[in-house]
Amino acid sequence: AQSVTQLDSHVSVSEGTPVLLRCNYSSSYSPSLFWYVQHPNKGLQLLLKYTSAATLVKGINGFEAEFKKSETSFHLTKPSAHMSDAAEYFCVVSVTGGYNKLIFGAGTRLAVHP
Amino acid sequence: DVKVTQSSRYLVKRTGEKVFLECVQDMDHENMFWYRQDPGLGLRLIYFSYDVKMKEKGDIPEGYSVSREKKERFSLILESASTNQTSMYLCASSFLQRDLNTEAFFGQGTRLTVV
Repeated sequence: AQSVTQLDSHVSVSEGTPVLLRCNYSSSYSPSLFWYVQHPNKGLQLLLKYTSAATLVKGINGFEAEFKKSETSFHLTKPSAHMSDAAEYFCVVSVTGGYNKLIFGAGTRLAVHP
Repeated sequence: DVKVTQSSRYLVKRTGEKVFLECVQDMDHENMFWYRQDPGLGLRLIYFSYDVKMKEKGDIPEGYSVSREKKERFSLILESASTNQTSMYLCASSFLQRDLNTEAFFGQGTRLTVV
């Protein structure tokens, strides 16, 4: 069965420093993986997605993620955090073999300090 | 722009009431989903539908039912609301076929309080 585990529930960084949000997945098939972001009192917005075309995926707002099959990981990174990056981030796997049901991780809350 | 519209941003209902949460999408998506979001638990799937009149239970269907009479509309029903159903409810839609850009699009959410 497919699943995702976000390894940190909270991450705190200073503005201008790198961001790393960690995600491990479990999937019997070649997975479709996503990162979504949720700003306070807002809906979820797609940051980026991996669908086997390239292992390094670039998303919006300077974020990127690297798919590593050997490590079953899909970590989200950004070289330099901005105050506006403070939000909750969700790693998501799409269940194959049927209806593309999405399975969410528990989320990582990113705090950015001046 | 893809739009997934939830009928209410905030709702307050009494214990035992029957509650309807409505969701409409305008992208001709086959899939529609209802999730609830609680702190520390992420999003948990309640029900999803891949076609009109078709539905599948998600991970936490107890206490909920759904209706999909038209392709663009997916309703979540709380037959008898209870305080433990106080939560944020999110509707989403996506294409069914994996090759057709299977990202999901989300509504703004409905924050339901049951008192």
